[in-house]
Amino acid sequence: EDQVTQSPEALRLQEGESSSLNCSYTVSGLRGLFWYRQDPGKGPEFLFTLYSAGEEKEKERLKATLTKKESFLHITAPKPEDSATYLCAVLANSGGYQKVTFGTGTKLQVIP
Amino acid sequence: DAGITQSPRYKITETGRQVTLMCHQTWSHSYMFWYRQDLGHGLRLIYYSAAADITDKGEVPDGYVVSRSKTENFPLTLESATRSQTSVYFCASSALAYEQYFGPGTRLTVT
Repeated sequence: EDQVTQSPEALRLQEGESSSLNCSYTVSGLRGLFWYRQDPGKGPEFLFTLYSAGEEKEKERLKATLTKKESFLHITAPKPEDSATYLCAVLANSGGYQKVTFGTGTKLQVIP
Repeated sequence: DAGITQSPRYKITETGRQVTLMCHQTWSHSYMFWYRQDLGHGLRLIYYSAAADITDKGEVPDGYVVSRSKTENFPLTLESATRSQTSVYFCASSALAYEQYFGPGTRLTVT
């Protein structure tokens, strides 16, 4: 069974304190890995897609990387507006069709 | 405005009642999805559709019905609501079943 595990569940950072969020996965036939940001009371907002090990994507203070077993979302010098829940999802081949599995997210709080 | 909308945003209903959640997108995306989000479970796929008149079950389809007669609309019906269906429901759309774009959600409470 496909599994996506995110850690830590919650993270509290001081403004400017860089850190990384982890998404480890166990799937067969990975087609892509996605990162989303979700603010309270809103739908997830797409951030990145990574397709193969070694790939990296950047957007402002965020950088996503992918290995064969996990992905990291690096946050450099975070600001309070980066506070949100970050979700990871994988798209994989499952029984002849493509299936998306989401992790339960990391809740990030950035303190001024 | 272009995008994906859901209605209603909040709904309270009684056990046993039928309720329909609406989803509308203006991008002409082929794929549309319904998820529920519950604490401790993350987002779980209920149903998805690859095109008009093509739908398929996701991870948790029991108790739900979908239809897609037009590309832009993808309603989700709870035929006989149960308390376990209290949740936040998200609709999403995608051009190629890769990155998905989510609506604002519908918070459903079944009493």
